[in-house]
Amino acid sequence: NAGVTQTPKFRILKIGQSMTLQCAQDMNHNYMYWYRQDPGMGLKLIYYSVGAGITDKGEVPNGYNVSRSTTEDFPLRLELAAPSQTSVYFCASSTGPKQGRSYNEQFFGPGTRLTVL
Amino acid sequence: AQSVTQLDSQVPVFEEAPVELRCNYSSSVSVYLFWYVQYPNQGLQLLLKYLSGSTLVKGINGFEAEFNKSQTSFHLRKPSVHISDTAEYFCAVRREGGSQGNLIFGKGTKLSVKP
Repeated sequence: NAGVTQTPKFRILKIGQSMTLQCAQDMNHNYMYWYRQDPGMGLKLIYYSVGAGITDKGEVPNGYNVSRSTTEDFPLRLELAAPSQTSVYFCASSTGPKQGRSYNEQFFGPGTRLTVL
Repeated sequence: AQSVTQLDSQVPVFEEAPVELRCNYSSSVSVYLFWYVQYPNQGLQLLLKYLSGSTLVKGINGFEAEFNKSQTSFHLRKPSVHISDTAEYFCAVRREGGSQGNLIFGKGTKLSVKP
């Protein structure tokens, strides 16, 4: 199993550009999450999904969009990039309640480091 | 509102010394608590978790944590650290209500182990 994979690893955007951060998992997890990590601030939840076709906002959704057309993939879209979106982005996945008691453990990808100039 | 407070942003320690990383949480209902570790330029990895039962939880790499309901704490300990334990450590609590599985993270504690 590859676990949770993210592409790209690094990206530099200009203000106003758009991009999609890719995330895929091969563990058949129902739940998937996007976090951003800023220095000294921990991780903040951007969006999450409890299954294909179902997404919901987290703490800091403004400026982002997501979709979940398959169980495996959960891309994060940045429209009109701003310097405030400079961050490290992590995708994570976990089983859902109906998939067993270990649903609380989230598995993280290696992250995408994004700089907006 | 729920929150997680990690009391130390940085903890320097010498190799083979004991270490304690402190975490306090606020929650009005039963809690699920977690410690994650992030090695440089990597994603987060679960160290240990408390869901129920024994308040002393053992995790990977010789770490353990004790859930203390009266103190609302979940401190992480290791009796003897190695250089390889140098990393950032995050305490987290599962969010109440809403969709299951969402976590609230503390701001992290950077553990620096010196030879």
